[in-house]
Amino acid sequence: NAGVMQNPRHLVRRRGQEARLRCSPMKGHSHVYWYRQLPEEGLKFMVYLQKENIIDESGMPKERFSAEFPKEGPSILRIQQVVRGDSAAYFCASSPPSRGTEAFFGQGTRLTVV
Amino acid sequence: RKEVEQDPGPFNVPEGATVAFNCTYSNSASQSFFWYRQDCRKEPKLLMSVYSSGNEDGRFTAQLNRASQYISLLIRDSKLSDSATYLCVVNFNKFYFGSGTKLNVKP
Repeated sequence: NAGVMQNPRHLVRRRGQEARLRCSPMKGHSHVYWYRQLPEEGLKFMVYLQKENIIDESGMPKERFSAEFPKEGPSILRIQQVVRGDSAAYFCASSPPSRGTEAFFGQGTRLTVV
Repeated sequence: RKEVEQDPGPFNVPEGATVAFNCTYSNSASQSFFWYRQDCRKEPKLLMSVYSSGNEDGRFTAQLNRASQYISLLIRDSKLSDSATYLCVVNFNKFYFGSGTKLNVKP
């Protein structure tokens, strides 16, 4: 049973380009969470999705950021027109539908905007 | 007020020391509780779940006090390899992470 898979592991984008980060949850997990982490800072919640639904996007910036978790395929975090301040590690976590179980993290995508 | 609050540290302790971390959470209806460990530039990994009755895993002991909305982690006989950031996590409809407590174990 493969763990949470994120790709790419490292992504370099020029200012103004788009960044697409992918997350494949563990088998049987229908809940996906995205977090952002700046150097020397804690994890910041961005969005919580279930299949085809956004449950909580209270941590998402109002502009340029979007997320989806389609019926088939990975969850995608999309950042349009990237700026230097978007440079960070983006972690995805997944959990099963049952309550009380922990979340499992992917290895993260390190985005660098140049 | 943040949903989960932790002392950021760092805690600098010698090998063999006992160290304790505390964490408070704001939502009394929180349903499940965890400690995660994060090494530098890596993903967080589950260290242990926290149960109302308290639980122990080797050198690690976790306690939950629902009345005071307080979670603790005790590490006995610290090893150099315990150096990391420890994240307190609370689940109420989604996972809320504390900002982490940094531990440095020195030889």
